[in-house]
This record gives sequence, C-alpha cells and structure tokens, in this order.
Amino acid sequence: SQKIEQNSEALNIQEGKTATLTCNYTNYSPAYLQWYRQDPGRGPVFLLLIRENEKEKRKERLKVTFDTTLKQSLFHITASQPADSATYLCALVDAGGTSYGKLTFGQGTILTVHP
Amino acid sequence: ETGVTQSPTHLIKTRGQQVTLRCSSQSGHNTVSWYQQALGQGPQFIFQYYREEENGRGNFPPRFSGLQFPNYSSELNVNALELDDSALYLCASSLQNWETQYFGPGTRLLVL
Repeated sequence: SQKIEQNSEALNIQEGKTATLTCNYTNYSPAYLQWYRQDPGRGPVFLLLIRENEKEKRKERLKVTFDTTLKQSLFHITASQPADSATYLCALVDAGGTSYGKLTFGQGTILTVHP
Repeated sequence: ETGVTQSPTHLIKTRGQQVTLRCSSQSGHNTVSWYQQALGQGPQFIFQYYREEENGRGNFPPRFSGLQFPNYSSELNVNALELDDSALYLCASSLQNWETQYFGPGTRLLVL
C-alpha cells in the first residue's frame, strides 16, 4: 500500500541548533516533494519544492534533500529560533497514474524550539 | 496580489444538515483544490477543479461536491453531514494543475 510517513510526531530542540525532520514514502513515484509549515488553526504555508531529479535545495536557513533510492526527504532548519516552532508537513505529487497535481501529505511533525 | 481567502472562518452544523464553503483563489490562478484536515492529521485531498471542470477526486463520497466559477473562485458542498465531517477544510490555488499550491486559512467545521 502507499504510505507517506514523517518519522517524528514531535521534535524538541534548543535555540541555535539544527532541526532535522524526516519524510519517508513507499509505493510512490514522486514527480516532486514539498514542505509546508502550518501554525495552529491556520492553513499550510509553502516553504520549498524539490523535484525528482534534484538532490538538494536551499532557501535561507532551510535545506531539503531528496533521495529517491532511499525514498526519503530530509528537511533541515539551521540556527533554529523559537519562531520556527510549528507543525511541518511534507507532501508529494505522484507522477504515476494521475493527470493532476494531487498533494498527498504526511501526518506532520510538531517542532518546538526552546529558548 | 491577494492571497487565497475562505469563508466562513468557523461554522457549526448539526448532523444531516448541508453546508457550503467558499474559496477565492489567488489572483491569476485557475486551479483550486480542496482538502480536509482532521485534528492531528495531514490534509487529505478531496478534489481539484481546473478551468471550471473537476480534474481529479480523492476517496470521498459523492455527498462531497464542488463547483468552480468563471472567475476561478470555488465552492465545496457537503450534504447529509456526519459527525466525522468535523475538520478544517482547506482550499488551495495554483497557477496550473501541476504547480505549487497556495493554501487559504481554512474553514473550521464542527458537526454536532
């Protein structure tokens, strides 16, 4: 069966450290994978997109890697700040069998950065 | 350029009633997707509209239906509400049906 899983439900780190979030998938052929941030009671906010033929993407303090052999994406926040505390969602668009960009989401990881 | 907006922000209904949720897409976007997000879960795809036609559907029953208008705004209709329909309903718009989706703030629906 198809699954997309974010390995940690919750991650607690100290301010200034690097947060690393994991997203694993099975039985998908992602055209691309995205990471979103979601604050309580709000809609997800797009952060980064990485395509199947890309290994790494960076944006300011954010870095995403994509390993199609391991079927895994890692999301890093360097020099973390308390304002980075939120739920982070990974989502993929499956290239196989669809003619539209349906996003399939993981369950999310709640990140808390302690001062 | 305005972002994606949704109305209402909150709604309380009773089981068996019908509800209509509304979404205005971001300027220039012709594709709207709807998602249901239960508490503590990731969003689940309901369906997508591209240029006023349903372009794909997730694993939701027919009592979930939608519309897209010529200005690309959209409605989600849910008939015969059930308790399990209580969730945050999210609308997302994109420039084309394969491009990055931008989400609205959501409508929180509570079914009693």
